[in-house]
Amino acid sequence: DAGVTQSPTHLIKTRGQQVTLRCSPKSGHDTVSWYQQALGQGPQFIFQYYEEEERQRGNFPDRFSGHQFPNYSSELNVNALLLGDSALYLCASSLETPPGETQYFGPGTRLLVL
Amino acid sequence: GESVGLHLPTLSVQEGDNSIINCAYSNSASDYFIWYKQESGKGPQFIIDIRSNMDKRQGQRVTVLLNKTVKHLSLQIAATQPGDSAVYFCAENIWGDYKLSFGAGTTVTVRA
Repeated sequence: DAGVTQSPTHLIKTRGQQVTLRCSPKSGHDTVSWYQQALGQGPQFIFQYYEEEERQRGNFPDRFSGHQFPNYSSELNVNALLLGDSALYLCASSLETPPGETQYFGPGTRLLVL
Repeated sequence: GESVGLHLPTLSVQEGDNSIINCAYSNSASDYFIWYKQESGKGPQFIIDIRSNMDKRQGQRVTVLLNKTVKHLSLQIAATQPGDSAVYFCAENIWGDYKLSFGAGTTVTVRA
């Protein structure tokens, strides 16, 4: 049973560029959440996707956007990168019901913005 | 074993001892709690969860205790092993909300 997978594992970008990160949920899961984890801190919720729609968003600017595909996989896009966007980006998958059902995390994508 | 009454960012434990990691959660409306283990360079790994209608739940070598009166959560690890060295996070969720809110994390180091 495949767990949550993410690609790429590492990425280096420069300020102002755009980046796309990808996530495939755990088999049988239909909901994908994205989190940002700065060094030494706990993950911070960016948004959650279900039925190809963003249904909840955390305190992140519009530069952060996402997409969910019919096969439940998801992308996170960040535009106009800032140095402060350097972090580990985590994808978590879960079943839709009930809300707050256990979320299982992938290994993350380490983004470095220079 | 070692116990920590307050949340501390680090915990050093002798191999074979029991360890207790504490977490104070913020929202009295939270009704679902999860403990995650994060090893260096990896994503958080689910350990155990508990809902607010329970006070205690046991897993393999781990026990989670929930005290809703003081909004406190703890994770007990029995017979701590070197592989238990990691950062441990508690996360909370409010019914009807979709996000998990994470605590600051505790770094556990197991001494041989």
